[in-house]
This record gives sequence, C-alpha cells and structure tokens, in this order.
Amino acid sequence: NAGVTQTPKFQVLKTGQSMTLQCAQDMNHNSMYWYRQDPGMGLRLIYYSASEGTTDKGEVPNGYNVSRLNKREFSLRLESAAPSQTSVYFCASSEFGGSGNTIYFGEGSWLTVV
Amino acid sequence: AQSVTQPDIHITVSEGASLELRCNYSYGATPYLFWYVQSPGQGLQLLLKYFSGDTLVQGIKGFEAEFKRSQSSFNLRKPSVHWSDAAEYFCAKGDSGAGSYQLTFGKGTKLSVIP
Repeated sequence: NAGVTQTPKFQVLKTGQSMTLQCAQDMNHNSMYWYRQDPGMGLRLIYYSASEGTTDKGEVPNGYNVSRLNKREFSLRLESAAPSQTSVYFCASSEFGGSGNTIYFGEGSWLTVV
Repeated sequence: AQSVTQPDIHITVSEGASLELRCNYSYGATPYLFWYVQSPGQGLQLLLKYFSGDTLVQGIKGFEAEFKRSQSSFNLRKPSVHWSDAAEYFCAKGDSGAGSYQLTFGKGTKLSVIP
C-alpha cells in the first residue's frame, strides 16, 4: 500500500536552476498539500489543492508554483532555485479538505540549493 | 495569528520511564488537535487526534493525549517508553472554519531514549 509517493528523494540544485517535485497518492483523496520542513521551524504549508482543478497559497508560497495534474498527482515547481529553498519537502493528502481531516504524509524530498 | 507551542526542544528519558510532551495552542473556538511522530528520514505519522467529545484521546503505539480547554493544552503521554519511541514529535492545530485547510505545527520535540 504505497500511500503518498514523492520523487525524487534527494536532489542538489545550483542557484537559478529549476526543478519539479512530483507527488502521487493512491488513496483516492480529494485534497493534496505541499509542506516544507526546516530545522526548528516545524512544517509550513506552501500550497494546497482542496480538490482537483483548484490550488491555493499557503503560508510560504513565494518562489514556488504547483500543478494539480489530476486527482492523483500534485507537483511542486521551483522556477529559479535559491539557497533559502534548501529544505525537506513533504507532499501530503487527505480524503477531504478542511483541517479536521487526517493528513497523510509522504516520506519527504531532501533538496539542497548551492 | 494561530500558534502552537512545544516548550521542550529535546527530552531524554530512560526506557521504561513515563513520558509527557507538552503542547499549548492559541485559542480557537473548536480546535482540531493532532500529534504526529517523525522517525529520522521518514515522513510524519499520525499518533492521535482530537476533534470533540472525550477529552482523553487514545492513539497508536500506547500513546494518549488529554485536551484541556482551560489551559489551552494538548499534552501527549505514554506510561512506559520503549527505545523505538525515539523520534521527533509534532503537535498540530487546525480550525473548524469553513474553507480552513491549514494545519499549524509546533516546532517539534525530539525524544531520546536511554537504554
């Protein structure tokens, strides 16, 4: 039972390069999320998609774009990577939107921008 | 702004000892409260959640948490810690408002277990 799958798991980028983090869930969930985790900061929401066809900004959206490709997939794009985007990125999903629903997390993608 | 405070950055306990991890949140009319655990190199796993009803909530792996509205707290407890419980623990709060999707996470408490 895969749950939430993210790729790649590790990536090193040079400043100014672009890349896309891929995420897919196999739980038929409606809502999907991208969080970043930084030491001592907990998790912060970057973008979310309440349902297929919609996306909205979270707490820290600057420098990122997202695409909800279909119900299963939700990608996060860094157009011009900066060292401040060095972080661990987590994709997550929930059956329905609304913060009362349990969120299921992927295993994370470690991104380093040099 | 909403906030979730975990006052202890790092806690060390002996295997078999009891554990309490503290969590305080900024007031919300009907808070949804969660505890997640993260093992090194892994994603977050839900331990338990509180939405309403009984203020003592049972979770997986022998954990429980008690919601105390008067103290704005949702502390996590375990009567006897196992070495495998060593991990980082995150408290999170959501709001029940329509269209509210964001969970606010605390900064985490790292638990070390001495054999």
